[in-house]
Amino acid sequence: AQSVTQLDSQVPVFEEAPVELRCNYSSSVSVYLFWYVQYPNQGLQLLLKYLSGSTLVKGINGFEAEFNKSQTSFHLRKPSVHISDTAEYFCAVSPPNTGNQFYFGTGTSLTVIP
Amino acid sequence: DAGITQSPRHKVTETGTPVTLRCHQTENHRYMYWYRQDPGHGLRLIHYSYGVKDTDKGEVSDGYSVSRSKTEDFLLTLESATSSQTSVYFCAISEDSNYGYTFGSGTRLTVV
Repeated sequence: AQSVTQLDSQVPVFEEAPVELRCNYSSSVSVYLFWYVQYPNQGLQLLLKYLSGSTLVKGINGFEAEFNKSQTSFHLRKPSVHISDTAEYFCAVSPPNTGNQFYFGTGTSLTVIP
Repeated sequence: DAGITQSPRHKVTETGTPVTLRCHQTENHRYMYWYRQDPGHGLRLIHYSYGVKDTDKGEVSDGYSVSRSKTEDFLLTLESATSSQTSVYFCAISEDSNYGYTFGSGTRLTVV
């Protein structure tokens, strides 16, 4: 079975500091990779995705992620965070031949401190 | 999100009563999903549908049933609600895994 590990459940960071949210997955085959953001009391929104090609993927709100096949990782980064980035972030993978299913990590709560 | 709505947004119900949550889409997407979100567990798949009248179980399907009689509607039913089913339920739609999921705003269900 597919698994997605988000190594940090909570990440506090000061405003304008850089941040990295870590995600590792278990798969021996090619997968599609996604990061979603959930603001308080809202549904999940797509931040960015990796399907193929360049390993560095840019998303909305200044976020980017790097796919590392050898380490089966897809870490999310932002060089300078804002208060408005405070939210829950979910990593997800979609393996082939699974009926379009996604597997989600348990989430990382990012808190930006003024 | 635009194109997908969940109803109701909030519901409080008593243990042992049946409950039905509705997901409605206007995007004509083939795939629809029901997830539950609980602290420390992230999102867990309950059931999903890959077409009208085509459904399958997810990771945590016990105590839940679904129906999809039209492309646009996907219903989740708790046959006899229990306190362990207190959760936030999200519906999602997808046309193809290339595009990811689009999520609804969620239904907060409390079973007392």
